[in-house]
Amino acid sequence: SQQGEEDPQALSIQEGENATMNCSYKTSINNLQWYRQNSGRGLVHLILIRSNEREKHSGRLRVTLDTSKKSSSLLITASRAADTASYFCATNFGNEKLTFGTGTRLTIIP
Amino acid sequence: DVKVTQSSRYLVKRTGEKVFLECVQDMDHENMFWYRQDPGLGLRLIYFSYDVKMKEKGDIPEGYSVSREKKERFSLILESASTNQTSMYLCASTPGQPPYEQYFGPGTRLTVT
Repeated sequence: SQQGEEDPQALSIQEGENATMNCSYKTSINNLQWYRQNSGRGLVHLILIRSNEREKHSGRLRVTLDTSKKSSSLLITASRAADTASYFCATNFGNEKLTFGTGTRLTIIP
Repeated sequence: DVKVTQSSRYLVKRTGEKVFLECVQDMDHENMFWYRQDPGLGLRLIYFSYDVKMKEKGDIPEGYSVSREKKERFSLILESASTNQTSMYLCASTPGQPPYEQYFGPGTRLTVT
């Protein structure tokens, strides 16, 4: 069964606005990762946050992790048309595998 | 940069055919994975390999097999393709040490008619 569940399933915002998407998971993790997938392409790693971290930044991306609530959020600030993609969270339990959620489809309206 | 390549971007096969999907990575990664991606279901792990000639079943291995004869190459085999195997197939690799960030190929969209 899927470990991560993203919310919302789809999100449309105006260019320049901030986009926030959430991920919930069920059991203890070693780290949580976010990936982006442009239409019909492979996934690209965006950012990783370890279980002992609460917040991490990378450029216009900000990720938070709340292990007590078993949830994470990805914030994209000052969105651009090129940010239009699907975003997936993936959880790692300390072995080689990741478990992916079903994704959030983000559309940036120019 | 890590590069993961897949043999085909689009593939059309007939029911009952044997299908080979190949994946090659150029970063000497120990671990390689095959996923399928379907609308509303996200990515589901079919098989993975943590070393040459080693393989482990993922969540949905039925109807598939794999081969890893060389470290850089991981093949997915559909023994007798069926229409319910029409999907996007994604290959990924990751180093042998944590935190296991995965590097993906561009995907193969397989249609079985």
